[in-house]
Amino acid sequence: DADVTQTPRNRITKTGKRIMLECSQTKGHDRMYWYRQDPGLGLRLIYYSFDVKDINKGEISDGYSVSRQAQAKFSLSLESAIPNQTALYFCATSDWRTGKAFFGQGTRLTVV
Amino acid sequence: QKEVEQNSGPLSVPEGAIASLNCTYSDRGSQSFFWYRQYSGKSPELIMFIYSNGDKEDGRFTAQLNKASQYVSLLIRDSQPSDSATYLCAVNEWNNQGGKLIFGQGTELSVKP
Repeated sequence: DADVTQTPRNRITKTGKRIMLECSQTKGHDRMYWYRQDPGLGLRLIYYSFDVKDINKGEISDGYSVSRQAQAKFSLSLESAIPNQTALYFCATSDWRTGKAFFGQGTRLTVV
Repeated sequence: QKEVEQNSGPLSVPEGAIASLNCTYSDRGSQSFFWYRQYSGKSPELIMFIYSNGDKEDGRFTAQLNKASQYVSLLIRDSQPSDSATYLCAVNEWNNQGGKLIFGQGTELSVKP
């Protein structure tokens, strides 16, 4: 089983719909991240969390919200999806001592 | 100015050559630096990390860090077609809440047989 698991792997949704992407991890890391990836733009940070009570905005948080339900679970929500949120989304965890990050398999989201 | 900048490429090298990938960062307080490799459609995987000024070697890979110049690079010796991928530079920026991991836009490497 993967250490960092994202669900769903692929999703097509309509403009205006609410959608939630889920991430769970078995690595025991406190830090969790959500990134989106668009061609030529690398990974851009949406939100990050250092523990259950600590949530921080990244560089592109507008239009997104997150929930850290437990140390092992970090969900990303699009309250009202729009087409320019079509992207590949990655969840990651990291070890606070080394900073090394480990990624989920990614969720390919298409908003039509 | 982007916090972490890379040449987007594509960078094309012949098989057996040295590929040199470069990255600059803006936050002088950054302490940890990483290189990830990403194959098309796959998730990034960590291939090198470096915390101190100087060189760090691991097999065919060498990471180089110069904190004074805010510069980190990755050298791939004896490049192979299987090294063809996008290479992402990442910096652990430190703030009063801890560190956040920021990525560059990635450099696409193509190794030609």
